[in-house]
Amino acid sequence: DTEVTQTPKHLVMGMTNKKSLKCEQHMGHRAMYWYKQKAKKPPELMFVYSYEKLSINESVPSRFSPECPNSSLLNLHLHALQPEDSALYLCASSQERGDEQYFGPGTRLTVT
Amino acid sequence: TQLLEQSPQFLSIQEGENLTVYCNSSSVFSSLQWYRQEPGEGPVLLVTVVTGGEVKKLKRLTFQFGDARKDSSLHITAAQPGDTGLYLCAGAENTGNQFYFGTGTSLTVIP
Repeated sequence: DTEVTQTPKHLVMGMTNKKSLKCEQHMGHRAMYWYKQKAKKPPELMFVYSYEKLSINESVPSRFSPECPNSSLLNLHLHALQPEDSALYLCASSQERGDEQYFGPGTRLTVT
Repeated sequence: TQLLEQSPQFLSIQEGENLTVYCNSSSVFSSLQWYRQEPGEGPVLLVTVVTGGEVKKLKRLTFQFGDARKDSSLHITAAQPGDTGLYLCAGAENTGNQFYFGTGTSLTVIP
């Protein structure tokens, strides 16, 4: 099973809303990632968790807040987003940091 | 500065043609991965190459890892419309466990 699941598939939110993106994997992977992707561009790394601890935060604005409740789950809490934050948000996991990554289907986020 | 540069950035070809996508770096990688991504979906892992000079085939797709493990290529034979998508190389640099993505190649195969 190489499946990473993400919910919701689509999300439309206003700039004053608070919402959360969820990601789950049951492959026993110890590293999990959040990426932001604009159309036809490569994914941009936002956060990396390794063994449930935040190990990389790529200078992401504080309106994005990650959380890793356990080794299988990864959340991304969103608050006071801007229209330019509209993008495809991808979750990925790998056995260890630096190993090949497996991606979820993404959440298409639109901020109005 | 991008650690992994892909070329070409965009490619539009007719069904049945062959093509090659290149992924180059000045750094050595412990392994490289190739992904294909369709619009609105997550990248799907196609292959991982680990050994310098390694060649892997996946139906009409041939992947090669350079001898020095600094570059890789993806060759598609007799392209089909279903091959349309964004192709991404990626990997971890040899000196650490930071994972990098290439700049991407957007392929369109016209029926």
